[in-house]
Amino acid sequence: EPEVTQTPSHQVTQMGQEVILRCVPISNHLYFYWYRQILGQKVEFLVSFYNNEISEKSEIFDDQFSVERPDGSNFTLKIRSTKLEDSAMYFCASKTSGRALGQFFGPGTRLTVL
Amino acid sequence: DQQVKQNSPSLSVQEGRISILNCDYTNSMFDYFLWYKKYPAEGPTFLISISSIKDKNEDGRFTVFLNKSAKHLSLHIVPSQPGDSAVYFCAASAFYGGSQGNLIFGKGTKLSVKP
Repeated sequence: EPEVTQTPSHQVTQMGQEVILRCVPISNHLYFYWYRQILGQKVEFLVSFYNNEISEKSEIFDDQFSVERPDGSNFTLKIRSTKLEDSAMYFCASKTSGRALGQFFGPGTRLTVL
Repeated sequence: DQQVKQNSPSLSVQEGRISILNCDYTNSMFDYFLWYKKYPAEGPTFLISISSIKDKNEDGRFTVFLNKSAKHLSLHIVPSQPGDSAVYFCAASAFYGGSQGNLIFGKGTKLSVKP
């Protein structure tokens, strides 16, 4: 069964450093998302991406964040200058058509900012 | 601003009995509701969903009920199995205004099914 994959599974970085989290969505999916979950809190929407551009973004997704689909398979989230409060699990998700039920989530990348 | 609320952080049931997980929402523009299951160190797994034009959707042991007037939905698992032990997230989405259906999650309910 096709699945969303994410690399790395765990990323440790120093405050102020740039990180790139990578995702490979399910191949025939058209809509892509990033969510995050700070430890003990709920899963929060960051950004949605469709047709090679950002569709929506939350208040969390400020100028330090960017997303890219550099080729036909990868979908990346870049944090330009990490802060301690960026430590969280980051989940990538994808789905087919706009009203398709159920986004499919990857296993997540645990980002630890020291 | 909690648009999706799961007021019970945990629930414990006996194997074979019914598990009922509850969720309330405040935004009347939500038109799809979903339940996800999450194990530790894994991403959420889609379980079942319901459109706002329906009041019930069933898939095997899982049934979701939607009461729009009360802005309430529930997930019933019958019969509950130990493998159902996980955190269950209620999520909602809206497609108005060109939104692509990003999900608003509740805080989750940890279900423990005891043998």
